[in-house]
Amino acid sequence: QVQLKESGPGLVQPSQTLSLTCTVSGFSLTSYNVHWVRQPTGKGLEWMGVIWTGGSTDYNSALKSRLSISRDTSKSQVFLKMNSLQTEDIATYYCARDPDTTGIPTGYFDYWGQGVMVTVSS
Amino acid sequence: DIQMTQSPASLSASLGETVTIECLASEDIYSNLAWYQQKPGKSPQLLIYYANSLNDGVPSRFSGSGSGTQYSLKINSLQSEDVSIYFCQQNYDSPYTFGAGTKLELK
Repeated sequence: QVQLKESGPGLVQPSQTLSLTCTVSGFSLTSYNVHWVRQPTGKGLEWMGVIWTGGSTDYNSALKSRLSISRDTSKSQVFLKMNSLQTEDIATYYCARDPDTTGIPTGYFDYWGQGVMVTVSS
Repeated sequence: DIQMTQSPASLSASLGETVTIECLASEDIYSNLAWYQQKPGKSPQLLIYYANSLNDGVPSRFSGSGSGTQYSLKINSLQSEDVSIYFCQQNYDSPYTFGAGTKLELK
């Protein structure tokens, strides 16, 4: 059974770094790519980036200077770190699986985590 | 970045009715188009991929069509459980981008 679950602090202070973990089960990170997508409350979805099965990454250019995605395959975990958080980063953050198994992301998402709400406030 | 323009922003329809949601890409995305359904407080769920392929477990009343820059999602015989927000998304080129969403309500 494929599952993804995000975890991390719900509150981050302005200018600080957000650290989130996506723990997956039912599939291997060496077989499937995992993306991060965020959604401000009541608004649309923004693709943030992806970590490929081989460990390389691709980021949304709008966030690239602040964003890092990494993983620990032995723990089936994908990590998101984003620095210099501001109020415009208030959102629900999702990790999602790419259905491709060839290593090249299809760019759409067949399984999503439940999401983690992040607020930026002092 | 490829811009996705989704219409209408909101839609009210009766049970049993057929509804259509449109999505226009700012350039040709060669059928690399997915549709998602998001219910309140839940994560998005994949309905359609590659413009017209139905995801496993999705009712057959949902269908997708289109090519080039113009795509649509059609829901036949609207059910109460279809009340949701629907998003289109292009997966042709990174950064992958979404439409702003269509809120579907019952009349």
